Amino acid sequence: EVQLVESGGVVVQPGGSLRLSCAASGFRFDDDTMHWVRQAPGKGLEWVALVNWGGSRTYYGDSVKGRFTISRDNSKKALYLQMNSLRIEDTALYYCAKGGSGYSDAFDTWGQGTMVTVSS
Amino acid sequence: QSVLTQPPSASGTPGQRATISCSGSSSNIGSNTVNWYQQLPGTAPKLLIYSINQRPSGVPDRFSGSKSGTSASLAISGLQSEDEADYYCAAWDDSLNGWVFGGGTKLTVL
Repeated sequence: EVQLVESGGVVVQPGGSLRLSCAASGFRFDDDTMHWVRQAPGKGLEWVALVNWGGSRTYYGDSVKGRFTISRDNSKKALYLQMNSLRIEDTALYYCAKGGSGYSDAFDTWGQGTMVTVSS
Repeated sequence: QSVLTQPPSASGTPGQRATISCSGSSSNIGSNTVNWYQQLPGTAPKLLIYSINQRPSGVPDRFSGSKSGTSASLAISGLQSEDEADYYCAAWDDSLNGWVFGGGTKLTVL
């Protein structure tokens, strides 16, 4: 069974840092582009970032560019999101999602999400 | 303000057909494929339609997608109560070099 399990979400103060993790299982992890997508409470989905299969190419949404870094460790079947300079508006449920071999392939599997709350 | 525009709500009675529109531009829907996601209350999103009109295994053929120019549509025929959910369209944007989502449409089955 294809599965994604996120972890690392906590309450953090504005300006703080946090690293989210996503553990993958049930598929050949190093074949696929991986994504982070977030959803603020009561709001819609917002794409955050992607990393290609090998980790050499990354793209970011404008709202997180320069503050967040996506990475992956294929040997551990793990995806990460390093979040720096956190703002109140980064408060959201963060989902890890599996893409395909290309950047524009659909997100065919989603985790259950991990909650990040930025508050003083 | 989302890059892709969806109506905030839609509704229909059981057995009816509902459609949800998604409007974009030449840099996203106009030049790339469109995907649709279903988010049931309190759950993670699920891929519903990919590559404009393809259904993943397990998705009923009551769900269908289409695209024309810079707009796309999701149609749900034979509405059922379990179809009550939020629906999101998404596409790759060549200008932004990233994915864009619609704001979501809440479907109510009356």
